[in-house]
Amino acid sequence: DAMVIQNPRYQVTQFGKPVTLSCSQTLNHNVMYWYQQKSSQAPKLLFHYYDKDFNNEADTPDNFQSRRPNTSFCFLDIRSPGLGDAAMYLCATSKRTGSRTDTQYFGPGTRLTVL
Amino acid sequence: SQQGEEDPQALSIQEGENATMNCSYKTSINNLQWYRQNSGRGLVHLILIRSNEREKHSGRLRVTLDTSKKSSSLLITASRAADTASYFCATRGVTSGTYKYIFGTGTRLKVLA
Repeated sequence: DAMVIQNPRYQVTQFGKPVTLSCSQTLNHNVMYWYQQKSSQAPKLLFHYYDKDFNNEADTPDNFQSRRPNTSFCFLDIRSPGLGDAAMYLCATSKRTGSRTDTQYFGPGTRLTVL
Repeated sequence: SQQGEEDPQALSIQEGENATMNCSYKTSINNLQWYRQNSGRGLVHLILIRSNEREKHSGRLRVTLDTSKKSSSLLITASRAADTASYFCATRGVTSGTYKYIFGTGTRLKVLA
């Protein structure tokens, strides 16, 4: 089945130790998104790619970076995780449509714990 | 920059009852979507309604959209325990040149068996 896969599902890191979360998709969608979701809150968009075109949200901290080496993979790098970065990180994909009615397909998420 | 606000924040009902949750947003939209999130999981798309539509149905789901009030509602009829989840609305703006949606704060629905 076509899907969005996130690895690992659970990640524990130490304060200040760089961490990379990965996302892959078999849907061949040209848009990929990274969201941060804290407990009982709405998903907050960090950035997204349309093909290789990177779009950063204005309030995304510089501590968060992303790479998309090809259509299928996208990575979220947190350079120096702080305690406030503990959250669920959700990857999503969509296929651009001219009618702007694309829907997003989400992965299961990676829960990040910072010690 | 969060655009959607949902109410109630939490809702607890008995199995078989209907559940209604509401979403309000701030700017003009191209479309509005509803997503479901089971605890600790990713979101699943439920239904999309375009700005020129007023009502849409999908199985036990009914969505309405009132662009004059900038609000939408999601009705789940004959609820089941498996409907227990958080429900989010997500809006796509008309002026945005990028491919992003803004999610609402969510309603946590609990259906008691």
